[in-house]
Amino acid sequence: DQQVKQNSPSLSVQEGRISILNCDYTNSMFDYFLWYKKYPAEGPTFLISISSIKDKNEDGRFTVFLNKSAKHLSLHIVPSQPGDSAVYFCAASSSGNTPLVFGKGTRLSVIA
Amino acid sequence: ETGVTQSPTHLIKTRGQQVTLRCSSQSGHNTVSWYQQALGQGPQFIFQYYREEENGRGNFPPRFSGLQFPNYSSELNVNALELDDSALYLCASSRGQGVGNNSPLHFGNGTRLTVT
Repeated sequence: DQQVKQNSPSLSVQEGRISILNCDYTNSMFDYFLWYKKYPAEGPTFLISISSIKDKNEDGRFTVFLNKSAKHLSLHIVPSQPGDSAVYFCAASSSGNTPLVFGKGTRLSVIA
Repeated sequence: ETGVTQSPTHLIKTRGQQVTLRCSSQSGHNTVSWYQQALGQGPQFIFQYYREEENGRGNFPPRFSGLQFPNYSSELNVNALELDDSALYLCASSRGQGVGNNSPLHFGNGTRLTVT
C-alpha cells in the first residue's frame, strides 16, 4: 500500500508559467515532508521541505503548501524555467527522522 | 566539500551471483542510508547505518546486508541475486538521523545494477 502518492506521472508547462506538482499521503504519523528533484543519471537533490507545524514554506521560486486535514501537499514553481525539467519526488518522514518514504515521482517538462 | 560518491556506476550480474556496492558519505556525515529505485518507482528504503550499526531496515530480505566503516563509508551486499533486483541503488548520507532543513539527505548518483 503506497503511503505517499503522486498521481500525475507527468506534467508539461510553458516557460514562465506556474508548475504545480501534487502529492497525497495516507500515514497520519508523517510530520515532515520534502521535495527532491532528479535529473537523469544523477541522484535526487533536496529542493525544499516543510514541517507539519507550518502550512507554507517558500524558497525563491519554489513554494510548498501543506494541507494536513486533506493529507495533501503541493509544490509550486513560478516562473517555470527549462532547467526545471526533471523528475520531482515527494517524500515524507515521521518525527523528522529517516527513513524517507517516497512517491513514484512526477516528470516535469518545461517547454520554451 | 566532497559529495556522496558511489561505485561502480553500472554493473551487470547473473542471477544467483553476489554483488557489493560501495558508497563514500559526504564529509561530516555519520549516517548512511541505502535506497532501491526500480524502474518507474520512487526510491525505497533498504536500511540505514549510524555509527557503524544498522538502526533501521525496510521491507527487504536478509540477503540484502550492509556495513558501515569507521570513516562512515558503507557497503551494500546482495546475495543470491534475482532478476527483480535490477534497479538503481542509491546511497544517501546525512548528519545524524534527522531529515530537517539543517541536514537533508544527500544522495549519490547511484549504481545501476542489471541482473540477467
